[in-house]
Amino acid sequence: AQSVTQLGSHVSVSEGALVLLRCNYSSSVPPYLFWYVQYPNQGLQLLLKYTSAATLVKGINGFEAEFKKSETSFHLTKPSAHMSDAAEYFCAVSDRETSYDKVIFGPGTSLSVIP
Amino acid sequence: DTEVTQTPKHLVMGMTNKKSLKCEQHMGHRAMYWYKQKAKKPPELMFVYSYEKLSINESVPSRFSPECPNSSLLNLHLHALQPEDSALYLCASSQLGVYGYTFGSGTRLTVV
Repeated sequence: AQSVTQLGSHVSVSEGALVLLRCNYSSSVPPYLFWYVQYPNQGLQLLLKYTSAATLVKGINGFEAEFKKSETSFHLTKPSAHMSDAAEYFCAVSDRETSYDKVIFGPGTSLSVIP
Repeated sequence: DTEVTQTPKHLVMGMTNKKSLKCEQHMGHRAMYWYKQKAKKPPELMFVYSYEKLSINESVPSRFSPECPNSSLLNLHLHALQPEDSALYLCASSQLGVYGYTFGSGTRLTVV
C-alpha cells in the first residue's frame, strides 16, 4: 500500500528564513503527490500537486516542491517565510494501486514562524 | 463558484440523537468525499461518491450513513454516535482525485 511520511511533526523558522518541509513516499507505481495547508479551524487548501509532468512544481503563496524519484521525496520549500505561513501542512499521495479517487495523507507538520 | 459549503459549522448532539451534516458544491465535480479529522491528526477517509454512487467505504461504522441525492449535494446522517466520534468532519470534491481536492471548512461535531 502507498504511504507518506513527514519528517518533523513541528518546524519553527524565523520570519524571512527558508521554509523546508520534508515528505517521503512509498509507492510501487509512479505516484501523484500533493501538498495541502490547513489553517486553524478551517478545511484543507491545495498548495500544489505533482502529476508526472515537470519535477519542480510551483504552487500558491510562493511555495514550490521538487519530485525526486531516486530519493522518493517531495519536499516543500519557500524562500522566505511570512507570519501568515504558520499552519499545518500535509503531504498526500493518490492511491493509484486501488483508486485514483483515494488520497492518503501524511501525519502533518506544524509550521511556526517566529517574528 | 469554486467553494464547497458545509453546514452546520458546529454541532453538539447527544448519543441518542439523529442529525445530518450537509455539503454542497457547484463546480461540476463528479466525486465527493467525507473525511474525519481528530485534533492534531491528518484527515481520514470515510466515504467516496463517484457520479452519485458510493464507490469507497472505508469500513465506517453503520452509525454513519452517507447519502448523495444529486451531483451537487452530499449528506452524512448521524445516529447513536459515541463521544469518540467527536471530530472535525470535512467534505471535499474533485473532478478526479489526482487533480486535487477542494475542501469545505468542515463541521465541528461534539457528541455528549
